[in-house]
Amino acid sequence: GQQLNQSPQSMFIQEGEDVSMNCTSSSIFNTWLWYKQDPGEGPVLLIALYKAGELTSNGRLTAQFGITRKDSFLNISASIPSDVGIYFCAGYRGSNYKLTFGKGTLLTVNP
Amino acid sequence: DTGVSQDPRHKITKRGQNVTFRCDPISEHNRLYWYRQTLGQGPEFLTYFQNEAQLEKSRLLSDRFSAERPKGSFSTLEIQRTEQGDSAMYLCASDPAKGERSSYNEQFFGPGTRLTVL
Repeated sequence: GQQLNQSPQSMFIQEGEDVSMNCTSSSIFNTWLWYKQDPGEGPVLLIALYKAGELTSNGRLTAQFGITRKDSFLNISASIPSDVGIYFCAGYRGSNYKLTFGKGTLLTVNP
Repeated sequence: DTGVSQDPRHKITKRGQNVTFRCDPISEHNRLYWYRQTLGQGPEFLTYFQNEAQLEKSRLLSDRFSAERPKGSFSTLEIQRTEQGDSAMYLCASDPAKGERSSYNEQFFGPGTRLTVL
C-alpha cells in the first residue's frame, strides 16, 4: 500500500492566494517528485528534489526536500485558475525505481 | 509530440473479456513503467522494464495480467478475463535510466488508458 501521507486532502482558495501542501512518511526517501494531474490525464512532473534540505523553484512553485528525508513541501505563490488540479507527491526509496505516490491534494482556485 | 503515448485512451469492455493496452515511451528512454490509478488514489506501481527485461512486478499484478516489451521500445499490458475491480486508469511512464539517481530518473507519464469493465 501507499506509504506517503499527503495533506491537506483538498483546498479551496481565492485567486492570488498562496498555497502550501506537504507530504510525510515514516520511511526515508531518496528523491521527492511533485506532479500535477488534470482530470482524465496523466501526471505532469513539476519539480524534482534529490538532496536533503534542497529547495527548488519552478516559476511560482517552490518545493523543499525535508532534512529528515521523510517529508517534502510544495508551495504555490499567487495562485491562478489554471493551478486547479490534483497535486501528488511521489518518491523513491532505497535502490529501487518504482515511485510511491501520496493520495493527492485537490486544489480549487476561485477566480 | 515526443512524450509518452498510450493507446487506446478509453476502453469499455464486458466482464470476462481480454484487453490489451499499448505504451510508447519517450524515444531512447530505457526504463518503462506501468501504474494503475483508481478514483481518489495516487498511481500504484505494477511493473517495470529495463530495455526488454521485466525487472519487478507488484503483488497487484495478478496472474491475469501480463506485460511485455519485446524489443525494448513499446510495451503492452494485457488483462485476461477482466473483472469489474480492474476498472481503473492504467498509466505508463518512462525515464532515461542512465545512471545514478538524478534527473535521469525523473519519470514522465503518458495520458493513460481509462478501462471500464461492465
